[in-house]
This record gives sequence, structure tokens and C-alpha cells, in this order.
Amino acid sequence: DAGITQSPRHKVTETGTPVTLRCHQTENHRYMYWYRQDPGHGLRLIHYSYGVKDTDKGEVSDGYSVSRSKTEDFLLTLESATSSQTSVYFCAIRFRREDTEAFFGQGTRLTVV
Amino acid sequence: AQSVTQLGSHVSVSEGALVLLRCNYSSSVPPYLFWYVQYPNQGLQLLLKYTSAATLVKGINGFEAEFKKSETSFHLTKPSAHMSDAAEYFCAVRGTGNNDMRFGAGTRLTVKP
Repeated sequence: DAGITQSPRHKVTETGTPVTLRCHQTENHRYMYWYRQDPGHGLRLIHYSYGVKDTDKGEVSDGYSVSRSKTEDFLLTLESATSSQTSVYFCAIRFRREDTEAFFGQGTRLTVV
Repeated sequence: AQSVTQLGSHVSVSEGALVLLRCNYSSSVPPYLFWYVQYPNQGLQLLLKYTSAATLVKGINGFEAEFKKSETSFHLTKPSAHMSDAAEYFCAVRGTGNNDMRFGAGTRLTVKP
């Protein structure tokens, strides 16, 4: 599992409520990523982080915010959940070396009703 | 910006037949390329990666891929399919000097007995 824990693993929430997903790593990797996976779209990058307090937007960042106050934790927040944000969310980590791959968590299935 | 296109959202082969999953990339800088596999209800697992060391890359479970710059392709192959290969496969790209990784839409491989 490359030392990645996503929580919660499953969540059902109502439209308009805030939701925070947590990604915790024990590997001290520099880079952390949040993706969403939807049928026909593969994985799309939401936000990523290249260090504590250093984050950047991905291709589908609207409606999402992130925070990284510690190396090991990367939080994804849906400020006001919408049904279009129903998806499976994956966290990934990557070591700082240029040629390395990303390691993925087990995913969080979020349903917005 | 870099991107990948996977040709064929579904591929079906017979057990023992050749597996060929297609991936074409678009990158303005020399890319790093990856193939990942996802089994049902699991995260993504790295199959292999291209980092410019060799154009023919061997991965786990008998898979390999060849980087062809002239064709901007990185197709995944396996000489003989096994039932356990049934899964979804994702091609991904990251440009040198970039921190984000972009994925294709995925190809679902079915293996018939």
C-alpha cells in the first residue's frame, strides 16, 4: 500500500454540505496528489502539493480546495458538495526524484445525494 | 500541456492470445510514461514506466511496452493473456520538470476462456 491511508473509505453526504477527505502517508514523500475517477474519463487531477503549504491546481479544481500543513497529510475539501462531485477519489504520493512513479491509495467513494 | 489518449475503451481477447493496449501521448517536453493496472475496487498499481533509459520496457506480470518517439506511442503488450489479466489499464504521462501526472481514460481488458 506504499504507506498511504485514505479516510473515509466511503461517504454519503447531502448536496450543499462541506466534505473533507484525508490522505495520510508514512513515507515522507514530497509530492501528493488528489485525483477523481469517473467512467469514461480515467483519472483527472484535482490538486497537487509539492511541499508543506505548497499546492497547485490540476485540470478539474473548481469546487475543491486543499491544504497541506504537515508533510504526511493532504486534505481535500468540497466546500459545498454537488451531485457532480459524486466520484471515487484517489490520493497519490511521489518521491522527489524526477523519474519516479506515483503510488496510489485505495480510494474514497463519495456519493452526494 | 501533456496528455495521453488510449485507443479503445474495451478490449477483449481469448486466454493465450496477444494483448495489445494502445496509448499515444502528447507532450511538449520529453515525457515520463507509465502504465498502471486497476483491479475492481482497488487502487492503481504500477505495471511499468519509461524514463528514457531504454525504449523497450519490461514490467510485472509479463507485460512490456515500447516507447516510439516518431509515433508518440507507448503501447502495452503481453504475448499470452491470462484470466487474471482482466482489469482496467491506464496510461499516464508526466513531462520532465512537471509535477503533475495526466492519465488516459482507461482500457478495460476482458479475457475470455
